[in-house]
Parts: sequence; C-alpha cells; structure tokens
Amino acid sequence: KQEVTQIPAALSVPEGENLVLNCSFTDSAIYNLQWFRQDPGKGLTSLLLIQSSQREQTSGRLNASLDKSSGRSTLYIAASQPGDSATYLCAVSGNYGQNFVFGPGTRLSALP
Amino acid sequence: GAVVSQHPSWVICKSGTSVKIECRSLDFQATTMFWYRQFPKQSLMLMATSNEGSKATYEQGVEKDKFLINHASLTLSTLTVTSAHPEDSSFYICSARPAGVGLQYFGAGTRLSVL
Repeated sequence: KQEVTQIPAALSVPEGENLVLNCSFTDSAIYNLQWFRQDPGKGLTSLLLIQSSQREQTSGRLNASLDKSSGRSTLYIAASQPGDSATYLCAVSGNYGQNFVFGPGTRLSALP
Repeated sequence: GAVVSQHPSWVICKSGTSVKIECRSLDFQATTMFWYRQFPKQSLMLMATSNEGSKATYEQGVEKDKFLINHASLTLSTLTVTSAHPEDSSFYICSARPAGVGLQYFGAGTRLSVL
C-alpha cells in the first residue's frame, strides 16, 4: 500500500529566503507525482506535475524534482513571499492516474 | 485548462438530513471521477472512485449506503451524504479524469457542517 510522507510538517521562513519541501513515497511504481497548494478552507491548486519518466519540472519560482528509484521528490521555492503561505501537498498516483495518495502536507508561513 | 466545478461550496444542515454535492467537468468528458474527504488539519483521503455508467468503488472503511455516488453522465458525478451526522462534517473534494489522460483535475471543495 502506497504511503506518502512530507517533511517538515510546518515551516516558517522570512521573506526572500529559498526553501525546500520534501516528499517521500514507499512504492516507486508511480505514474506521476503532483505538488498542490491549499489555502485555508479552500480547494487544491495544482503547482507542478512530474510524470514518472521525468526528473524535474519548473514553473516560475518553483522547481520540483523526482527521484523515483529512491521514492523522493522535493519542491524548491525561490525567494519566498508572504503570498506563498499555504499548505503544500504532495500526491502520487499509480495505475494510469488512478489511486491518488496524498501526503499530510507542509504548512508554510512566509513571514514579511 | 480543464475546469471542475463543485457545488455547493459550503452547506450547513441538520443532523439526520441528506446533502447532495455535485461535481461537474465543464470543458471535458470525465470517464472517472474521484471523491475525497479531508478532516481538519489532515490530508485528503480517497473515499471512492466512480466510473460513468457503473457502480462506484469505495475505499475500505467508507460506507457505501451512507455516501451514495452517482455518475450518470460523462460530466457529472454526485455525492449524497445520507442521514448526515456531526461526525460527517468535513471538507469534500472531487476530481475528474478525462478519458485517455492520466491526470486528475480537482474541484474547489465543499465544506459540510452538520449541526
């Protein structure tokens, strides 16, 4: 059974700092991995999607890497801004996009 | 991009009543839709997978008679919480997967509060 963990559970950084969020999964047979952002009481915003054959994806200040063999992914956020404050969720899917399993999330506070 | 609309966004109901939540794919056909539940300060947990025109597949521990799922068309799935109780209060999120595509697109969620 796939299990996803995220470290740290919470993180506070001053504005302008770079930061790394970590995601680990137990079963390397994934179809893709996705990073989401969730604001309090809101739905999910997809940030980056990495297919199992890819090693990284970039979008603006965000860069996500995937090491499928070791079951790890990192989300790198450059030059954090207060607007980045949210919970970041990592999710992996197996079996052609089915069976999405979410991690518990990292709650980020980017302080002004 | 693909848009999934979820309605209502927030609902308050009395204990014992039933609540229906709709999930619509607005610009694509979704052969498969998924329903997730998120309790406060916890992550999303998959409740059930529904394929258009067939019965939903429920995850272990999810009561299929309590959480009725209907996926009658390629653009609409509904989740009905029957005889809701306060412990059913949660954030419910749906997602939809287009045919032939290994991606899921998520709705904005429905916050259910049962008094």
